[in-house]
Amino acid sequence: KQEVTQIPAALSVPEGENLVLNCSFTDSAIYNLQWFRQDPGKGLTSLLLIQSSQREQTSGRLNASLDKSSGRSTLYIAASQPGDSATYLCAVVAYSGAGSYQLTFGKGTKLSVIP
Amino acid sequence: DGGITQSPKYLFRKEGQNVTLSCEQNLNHDAMYWYRQDPGQGLRLIYYSQIVNDFQKGDIAEGYSVSREKKESFPLTVTSAQKNPTAFYLCASSRQEPSNYGYTFGSGTRLTVV
Repeated sequence: KQEVTQIPAALSVPEGENLVLNCSFTDSAIYNLQWFRQDPGKGLTSLLLIQSSQREQTSGRLNASLDKSSGRSTLYIAASQPGDSATYLCAVVAYSGAGSYQLTFGKGTKLSVIP
Repeated sequence: DGGITQSPKYLFRKEGQNVTLSCEQNLNHDAMYWYRQDPGQGLRLIYYSQIVNDFQKGDIAEGYSVSREKKESFPLTVTSAQKNPTAFYLCASSRQEPSNYGYTFGSGTRLTVV
């Protein structure tokens, strides 16, 4: 059964710092990996989607990398801002049989950016 | 703009009562999902549906029921058999093969037992 782990569980950094969030998964047979952001009491907002054949994706100050063979992904946030404070969730998609796909989540990293 | 609408935002349930959470999407996605989120536990899959009039149990389906009569709608009923229903519920949708497009989530419904 696929398991997704995110380290650290919480992170506090001063404004302007670059930071890296880590995600690891146990089964490398994935279709894609998606990073989400969740603000308190809100739904999930998709940040980046990396196909299994890709190594990285970039959007603005965010860069996500994927090393499928080692079961790892990182989310790099450049020049962090207080508005980046949120919980970041990593999720992997794998085929679960009978035409179905399973999305498995990590428990998230809670980021606080201190002004 | 296309998206997923969940209602209500907050819902209160009395002991022994059934309640229904609404999820509507206008993304023309084939597949829809319900997740439950508890503090410290991450998201867990309750039910999912790949096509109209068909749905499958997820990891924690006991005490819940769903229907998929229309492509756009996937309501979740929390029955009295669900002993600990207080949680944040999230609905999501995707294309039949999500590998190129990923998942889209709604804004969630917070259910509280009173």
